Amino acid sequence: EVQLLESGGGFVRPGGSLRLSCEGSGFSFSSYDMTWVRQAPGKGLEWVSSIGDLGDTTYYSDSVKGRFTVSRDNSKETLYLQMNSLRAEDTAVYFCTKDYGDYPTRFDPWGQGTLVSVSS
Amino acid sequence: DIQLTQSPSSLSASVGDRVNISCRASQSISLFLNWYQHKPGKAPKLLIYAVSGLHDGVPSRFSGSGSGTDFTLTITGLQPEDFATYYCQQSYSAPMYTFGQGTTLEIK
Repeated sequence: EVQLLESGGGFVRPGGSLRLSCEGSGFSFSSYDMTWVRQAPGKGLEWVSSIGDLGDTTYYSDSVKGRFTVSRDNSKETLYLQMNSLRAEDTAVYFCTKDYGDYPTRFDPWGQGTLVSVSS
Repeated sequence: DIQLTQSPSSLSASVGDRVNISCRASQSISLFLNWYQHKPGKAPKLLIYAVSGLHDGVPSRFSGSGSGTDFTLTITGLQPEDFATYYCQQSYSAPMYTFGQGTTLEIK
């Protein structure tokens, strides 16, 4: 069974940093592009960042560009999101998801999410 | 940037009803439109891909239609487990993606 498990969420002050992890299992992790999506309280889903299967291509939404860095360690089958200069508006549940692997792109499956709270 | 606008933002329906959820794109996105179901505290689930493709294991009461800028998710014969929030998502501008704002389906 394909599974994704996020971790690393927590409480942080504005301006602080946090690193999220997403461990994959049940599939060939190194063969798939991976993506982070977040949901702020009471809001909808928002695409945050994506990374190619080899880790050499990365993409970011304008809202996080320059502050967040996506990376992966295929030997550990783990996706990361380094979040710096955090703001209150970054408060959200962060989900990781994988490219289904077929064309056109769609996301399946998704992890259960990890909560990030940014507050003074 | 491609914007997706869903309507309605919320709707109430009864078990057994047929419901339609609309998603309009700010420009033509051809067939690059997916639908997801999300319940509170759970992982979102892929329902429909490429406008009308039914994802593995998704019940046939779910269907999608449309092209260009106007798309519809239809649920025929609502079941209790279908009450959730539904999102459309475009992959036309991959790897930059956009979701609609969501439509919450509530029990009447």
